[in-house]
Amino acid sequence: QLQLQESGPGLVKPSETLSLTCTVSIGSISSRSYYWGWIRQPPGKGLEWIGSIYYSGRTYYNPSLKSRVTISVDTSKNQFSLKLSSVTAADTAVYYCVSLYSNNWIFDYWGQGTLVTVSS
Amino acid sequence: QSALTQPASVSGSPGQSITISCTGTSSDVGSYNLVSWYQQHPGKAPKLMLYEGSKRPSGISKRFSGSKSGNTASLTISGLQAEDEADYYCCSYAGGSSYVFGTGTKVTVL
Repeated sequence: QLQLQESGPGLVKPSETLSLTCTVSIGSISSRSYYWGWIRQPPGKGLEWIGSIYYSGRTYYNPSLKSRVTISVDTSKNQFSLKLSSVTAADTAVYYCVSLYSNNWIFDYWGQGTLVTVSS
Repeated sequence: QSALTQPASVSGSPGQSITISCTGTSSDVGSYNLVSWYQQHPGKAPKLMLYEGSKRPSGISKRFSGSKSGNTASLTISGLQAEDEADYYCCSYAGGSSYVFGTGTKVTVL
């Protein structure tokens, strides 16, 4: 059973870059059965898929965020990361890192989520 | 890529059945048999309840079932229990390795 844990600053200033890291434990990020992704949820609102990455580094982004998002993977550390640039208050959300099981294309394991607030 | 449409709220009494709809387009729900459903209790991460429209992961009660017709998928909870009170989100593959979630439905057990 995979375990995922997000880490990173809980407060980011407007116009700056949000950076989060997800550490995968009890499992290998180099598994050919999995992609890895980020999903966010603004307070009191719904879920939004941000993007996904394969261990090879191939990335897929939500078209609405594509110009500001970079997802990367570090197989040596069993981690993947999210960078979101030029943030505004609208980017305030709980950010979840997730595993995407490629056999069924399901988000089967989720981190606990981390709240990132964009404020000066 | 617009969010899939779900009713904002659905309610039912214990023991009753409720159905949550999830309406997309021919580019997402209508094109792929890849709709999944997630349950989210307050302050918790979402939990996978159904995948490929109607399949249950190990450990998920048979009270949860799903179906699809055209561009609309549905989740039915039968024998409603107090523990089912939560928010529910559908999610569909939308092509090009992208995904779109539903607007979310709050289920209340009366």
